[in-house]
Amino acid sequence: QKEVEQNSGPLSVPEGAIASLNCTYSDRVSQSFFWYRQYSGKSPELIMSIYSNGDKEDGRFTAQLNKASQYVSLLIRDSQPSDSATYLCAVRGAGNNRKLIWGLGTSLAVNP
Amino acid sequence: NAGVTQTPKFQVLKTGQSMTLQCAQDMNHNSMYWYRQDPGMGLRLIYYSASEGTTDKGEVPNGYNVSRLNKREFSLRLESAAPSQTSVYFCASSEDSSSYNEQFFGPGTRLTVL
Repeated sequence: QKEVEQNSGPLSVPEGAIASLNCTYSDRVSQSFFWYRQYSGKSPELIMSIYSNGDKEDGRFTAQLNKASQYVSLLIRDSQPSDSATYLCAVRGAGNNRKLIWGLGTSLAVNP
Repeated sequence: NAGVTQTPKFQVLKTGQSMTLQCAQDMNHNSMYWYRQDPGMGLRLIYYSASEGTTDKGEVPNGYNVSRLNKREFSLRLESAAPSQTSVYFCASSEDSSSYNEQFFGPGTRLTVL
């Protein structure tokens, strides 16, 4: 059973701090990794994708991938109350496997 | 660009009734997906269509049928609704499912089956 695991939280950080969200996956041949943000009552919104080991930065967001350790993380710098949401990790396997395996999400609360 | 659109936004059904959830995308994407999201269960794939003319079962297909009407449209049908199908349904699309598969979601349909 291929799995993606996330700490459900809630993760609480003060405004301006760095929020660190983690995700581990079980399928060693996974190729593509995605972070989605979901506000309460809304649909998931893609915020980062990463395919190679290392860091990928986009504005205040940094995704980090370590395939050897089978984890992917998302750092949010200068956290804002508007970042309060559930963050979903999704992983795609190798080859023609079109499906994403989803984590259950980590709830983030940024306190003013 | 509207992205991915879904209709209706809300629906209440009685047990045994049927309905079709509509989804359309204007991004010229090849692949489309139907998910349901329930508290504590996360996103679960119901059906997907890798390309026009093809459909495949996902993780939880029982009680549902789909139609890929054309490249833009992918509908989900509940033939005889059951209370267990009360959920939020999301449609998503991706450009090329064989590579990076970034999926983009519609706003969702909240379905209650009484």
